[in-house]
Amino acid sequence: GAGVSQSPSNKVTEKGKDVELRCDPISGHTALYWYRQSLGQGLEFLIYFQGNSAPDKSGLPSDRFSAERTGGSVSTLTIQRTQQEDSAVYLCASSPLYEQYFGPGTRLTVT
Amino acid sequence: AQKVTQAQTEISVVEKEDVTLDCVYETRDTTYYLFWYKQPPSGELVFLIRRNSFDEQNEISGRYSWNFQKSTSSFNFTITASQVVDSAVYFCALSADTGGGNKLTFGTGTQLKVEL
Repeated sequence: GAGVSQSPSNKVTEKGKDVELRCDPISGHTALYWYRQSLGQGLEFLIYFQGNSAPDKSGLPSDRFSAERTGGSVSTLTIQRTQQEDSAVYLCASSPLYEQYFGPGTRLTVT
Repeated sequence: AQKVTQAQTEISVVEKEDVTLDCVYETRDTTYYLFWYKQPPSGELVFLIRRNSFDEQNEISGRYSWNFQKSTSSFNFTITASQVVDSAVYFCALSADTGGGNKLTFGTGTQLKVEL
């Protein structure tokens, strides 16, 4: 079956611009997670969605980061006024219960 | 707070050698889950295994085996008769069933290089 898909695969943006990253989870998976992978910080949790519950935003590094999940399916991670330190690979994962299945990631480069 | 330590940054072996990747974790939760993921050069994280904190039975899957020991807070991963295709970064991860989701805390990863 289809796995988790993310778009775009690569994004280069200028400092100060806003970006939107998209995640399509595996059909039927109720939980969706965003993580960030960077050389300096490793793999970090950002935000978690479960069904219609309020998201767990405890991992978002600043208020420039936000995310939404529409209709319990597709999710969009938005970074406003991007900074160079936002450069990283942004990974989305979906889960039916415990195991998380990851997408290929979006590589974000802020110049 | 939860913490996962993978002390081995990089391991190089020759094909057909056995190799063990170490993972030590810290958590105050009584119910938790441990995972191993593989990240090949293509970049996608591939789920390998999940263990529950209340199940210390070791597991074998083909050339892969996992040794979970609560007494030492370790969850080590052994590849038997390694192959070049095993070359990847391997991450150990921990989540706790806190009712707020199973967000993963990852170790820093071990880069495994298998050479001919």
